[in-house]
Amino acid sequence: QKEVEQDPGPLSVPEGAIVSLNCTYSNSAFQYFMWYRQYSRKGPELLMYTYSSGNKEDGRFTAQVDKSSKYISLFIRDSQPSDSATYLCSARNYGGSQGNLIFGKGTKLSVKP
Amino acid sequence: DGGITQSPKYLFRKEGQNVTLSCEQNLNHDAMYWYRQDPGQGLRLIYYSQIVNDFQKGDIAEGYSVSREKKESFPLTVTSAQKNPTAFYLCASSSTGTGGNQPQHFGDGTRLSIL
Repeated sequence: QKEVEQDPGPLSVPEGAIVSLNCTYSNSAFQYFMWYRQYSRKGPELLMYTYSSGNKEDGRFTAQVDKSSKYISLFIRDSQPSDSATYLCSARNYGGSQGNLIFGKGTKLSVKP
Repeated sequence: DGGITQSPKYLFRKEGQNVTLSCEQNLNHDAMYWYRQDPGQGLRLIYYSQIVNDFQKGDIAEGYSVSREKKESFPLTVTSAQKNPTAFYLCASSSTGTGGNQPQHFGDGTRLSIL
C-alpha cells in the first residue's frame, strides 16, 4: 500500500463550484500535511501547510485533516479557471530525516468557464 | 525576489553522456532536494542535503550524483548509468528549524530528454 493515496482524476467542474480534493494516508506517525498546486510545465507551489488535525483557511482555500480516519482534504470555494492545475498532497512525520516527505500522485483539476 | 532557479529549462542527452542540472537558491535555506517526476507518478526523491558538504541518497539515487559545496547550490549530474533519464527534474529547498519540519519550496524544473 502506498503511503499517500490520491485519486488522479481528472476532475472537471464549472466555474464557481466548490471543489473537494482528497487524500488518504497509511502512516499514523504523519503530523505535517501540505497541499501543492502545480501548473503544467512548472514546479509545485505551496498552497497550504497544516499540523496535526483540524482546519486551516486561507482565502478561498481550506485544508482539513482528520487523523482518526487518516484523511486529508483541500476545499476550493468559488473555483476559477485559473485554479485549473494538478494538486499534490504530501505528508511527513515529526522530526527525523528531511527526506521523509511523501507525495501523492496528484489530482488534475479543470475548471470550465 | 527570493526563490529557486533551475537551469536549463530543457536539456537533451546523448547516449553515454553525463549531463548536469543546475539548482541555485537565495532563500538562505539549509536543506536542498532533488526529485524526479514522471507522468502519472508522484515525486520521487533522488538525493537530499541538509548541510554543506553532506548529502544522502533518496529512493532512486542509482545513476545520479550530487555535490553541495555551497549553501546556495545543489547541482545534479545524470550519469550514463541512468538508463531511463527522460523525466521532469525538480529541485526544492527548505529551512531546518522547528524539528526540521519546514515546508519545501520548488523551482520550475528541468525537462530532460534523450536524443
